[in-house]
Amino acid sequence: QSVLTQPPSASGTPGQRVTISCSGSSSNIGSNDVYWYQQVPGMAPKLLMYRNNQRPSGVPDRFSGSESGTSASLAISGLRSEDEADYYCAAWDDSMSGFWVFGGGTKVTVL
Amino acid sequence: QVQLQESGPGLVKPSETLSLTCTVSGGSISSYYWSWIRQPPGKGLEWIGYIYYTGSTNYNPSLKSRLTISVDTSKNQFSLKLSSVTAADTAVYYCGTVTKGYWGQGTLVTVSS
Repeated sequence: QSVLTQPPSASGTPGQRVTISCSGSSSNIGSNDVYWYQQVPGMAPKLLMYRNNQRPSGVPDRFSGSESGTSASLAISGLRSEDEADYYCAAWDDSMSGFWVFGGGTKVTVL
Repeated sequence: QVQLQESGPGLVKPSETLSLTCTVSGGSISSYYWSWIRQPPGKGLEWIGYIYYTGSTNYNPSLKSRLTISVDTSKNQFSLKLSSVTAADTAVYYCGTVTKGYWGQGTLVTVSS
C-alpha cells in the first residue's frame, strides 16, 4: 500500500479536462514539495511537474499542478490521445530519517 | 544533457545479492542526490535509496537491513547491492534523480532459481 493515495484510474474524451488527486499527510505533502511523473508503458517515467506547479522545459502548459494542505493534484486540460499513460505523484517524507514516497499511480485513458 | 545507464545481471538466484551499477554521463556525479527506484511488473514505483557524492546515504526503511549504496566519483558511477533477495525483489530497477527527472532506461532484474 502506497504512502500517497491516488485514484487507480481516470478518463476523458479528447479536449476534456482531467484531474488526478494525490493525498498524503503532514510528514510528506504537508511539509514538502510534490513531483509528478508520466509513464508510458515500457518506458522510464518522465518528470512532468516539480515543486508542486513548475513545468520542466518541453512540458506543455496543458499540464498544471497544485497543492493544498496534505493533498496535491495534477490537471490535464485539452486532453490528447498521447496523454494516455500512468501518472505518479512523489514527495519527500520527513518521518524516521526521511525517504521518498510515491503514489500508487493513476492510469489515464483517453476515450 | 545528463544521461544514466544501469548495468548488471538480469537474473539473480533467491537468497543471493543483487548488484547493479549506474553510470552518469553528460554531467558530474557531484551535482545531485542519486537514487535507485524500482518497479515490480505491473505495479507502481518504489524508492530504494539515494547517495550523495560524499558517500552520504539515505535508505527506504523497508529495505534498509538488506541494502548498500555506494559511489565511485572517479568513474562517475554509483552502485546498489541488495542482499538475500526473493521473488518479491523482481522488478525494473531505475537509477536517477527524483527532483531533476534524470532517469536511466531501467533494467529488469528477475529473481529466480
